Amino acid sequence: EVQLVESGGGLVQPGGSLRLSCAASGFTFSSYWMSWVRQAPGKGLEWVANIKQDGSEKYYVDSVKGRFTISRDNAKNSLYLQMNSLRAEDTAVYYCARALGYDDYMDVWGKGTTVTVSS
Amino acid sequence: SYELTQPLSVSVALGQTARITCGGNNIGSKNVHWYQQKPGQAPVLVIYRDSNRPSGIPERFSGSNSGNTATLTISRAQAGDEADYYCQVWDSSTACVFGTGTKVTVL
Repeated sequence: EVQLVESGGGLVQPGGSLRLSCAASGFTFSSYWMSWVRQAPGKGLEWVANIKQDGSEKYYVDSVKGRFTISRDNAKNSLYLQMNSLRAEDTAVYYCARALGYDDYMDVWGKGTTVTVSS
Repeated sequence: SYELTQPLSVSVALGQTARITCGGNNIGSKNVHWYQQKPGQAPVLVIYRDSNRPSGIPERFSGSNSGNTATLTISRAQAGDEADYYCQVWDSSTACVFGTGTKVTVL
């Protein structure tokens, strides 16, 4: 079964850091672009970042550039999101998703992990 | 930056047809994808590249895209179709863009 499982969410103070992980199974992880998408409470979906199959290309939404870093370990079938200098507006459910290309659709999604930034 | 506009809500009678629009500048030149999200759940892809259905998605879901509007059509609406629906495109200047989302209610 194709599956993505996120972990690493939690409560963090403003200015703090958190590292999210996404474990992939049931497909050849190294063959796909991967993305992070977030959803603030009661709000819509917002793309955060994506990464090429070999990690050589990475793209970010402007609001997280310089603070968040997407990475992957193909040997471990895992995707990561290092989040630094967290702000209240980063509070959201974070989903990892499999993408069919840099600019294509996302066909498999995890259930998400919740990040709350609050003092 | 590129923006996608959707109606806040759409209501449809049981068994009738719902149409959800997604407006964007010259969106007809882009590939549009649609996601369904039920409360407390992750999004699910229901239409990709304007009008293609992933395996497992009922034929009742269809899509079209032309000019400045893309449309997701749900035929013979069922109670289980109640959800939020989001359109999505990629733009050369803005990267990945999601629409504002539409809540579909089946009466």
